[in-house]
Formats: sequence, structure tokens, C-alpha cells
Amino acid sequence: AQRVTQPEKLLSVFKGAPVELKCNYSYSGSPELFWYVQYSRQRLQLLLRHISRESIKGFTADLNKGETSFHLKKPFAQEEDSAMYYCALRYNQGGKLIFGQGTELSVKP
Amino acid sequence: GAVVSQHPSRVICKSGTSVKIECRSLDFQATTMFWYRQFPKQSLMLMATSNEGSKATYEQGVEKDKFLINHASLTLSTLTVTSAHPEDSSFYICSATRGGTGELFFGEGSRLTVL
Repeated sequence: AQRVTQPEKLLSVFKGAPVELKCNYSYSGSPELFWYVQYSRQRLQLLLRHISRESIKGFTADLNKGETSFHLKKPFAQEEDSAMYYCALRYNQGGKLIFGQGTELSVKP
Repeated sequence: GAVVSQHPSRVICKSGTSVKIECRSLDFQATTMFWYRQFPKQSLMLMATSNEGSKATYEQGVEKDKFLINHASLTLSTLTVTSAHPEDSSFYICSATRGGTGELFFGEGSRLTVL
């Protein structure tokens, strides 16, 4: 079965520190991987998708098929990055998204 | 960007009553919509996949008679929580797939409180 695992429920860092939010998945095929962000009292919004290979708000994520990981990284965290981050997997375009448990990122001043 | 709107954003009802939540894609046609349930600071649990003009596909463990889903048009899907109980209190979120890229857009969510 497809599964997405985010091992950290809460990640707390100081402003300017590097951040890495971990995501591992289990799927035998070639999935699409995404990172979604949910700021306080706002709707879920797409942050990154692995096929676009772009950097959004300074965040990057590389799909590592060997390790079945899609970790989210940012070299210098900002206070406005504080939010819930969800890693998600989809195994065909238009299909359902399967979410990880989410990691709450807290960036302290 | 594309917009998905849910209504109502908050609803409080008495135990035993039914509540309907609407999900609309405002500027695109969505052949497929998804309904999720989210508990505070927890993951989104997929409840069902809603396809326009056909019966919804429910995930394992989700009662289809409890959570009625109707996708009557390409821009509207509804979730009706029937005979609501306090344990149904939750945040319900819908999402819609836009054709082409298959990008998924999320509604703002509807918070249901059953007294």
C-alpha cells in the first residue's frame, strides 16, 4: 500500500538556521511527490512538486528514489515559514493524494 | 490561481440532524473532487473521491450512508453528514483537480461542531 511518513511532528528552529523536514514514502512505481503548506487559519496550498524542480520561498526538495525520500529543505529559516507542512504522494495524474502526518515548523526569533 | 470555495465555513448542529457542505470550483471545471477530514494538527484523511455524474468512491472505513456525497455538476460537489453525532465534529476539506496539469486545489475547509 502507498504510504507517506513524516517522522517529526514538530520541528523548532531559530531564525536563520537551516531547516530539513523529512518525508519518506513507500510505493513500488513512479509517484508524484508534493509538499503542501498550511499557514495558521489558511487553506492548504501547494508549495512544491517534484516534477517542476523549482524553488519556492527558498524551499527545495529532491526526490531520492533510492532512499524513497523527498525531504524539504531551506538554508535559512524565516519566522514567516512557521506553518504545518504536509508531504503528499499521488500515483497517477488526477488521482487521489495521500498525505503524511504533517510536521509543524516553528521558527523562533 | 484556481479557486475552490466551501460553504459554510463553520456550522454547529444538534446531534441527530443532517448537515450539508458544498464545494465549488469557481473558475474551472472539476471532473474529480476529493473530500478529506482533518483533526487538529493532524493529517488529512481522504474520505472519498467524487466523480461528476457517478457514484463516489469511498475509502476503507468511511461509511457511505453516513457521509453522502453528490457531484451533480462539473463545479459542485456536496457532502452531507447524516444523523450527525459529536464524534463527527471535525474539519472537512474538499479539493478539486483541474485538467491539464492535474493540479489539486483546496477549499478553505468547513468546521463542523455537533452538540
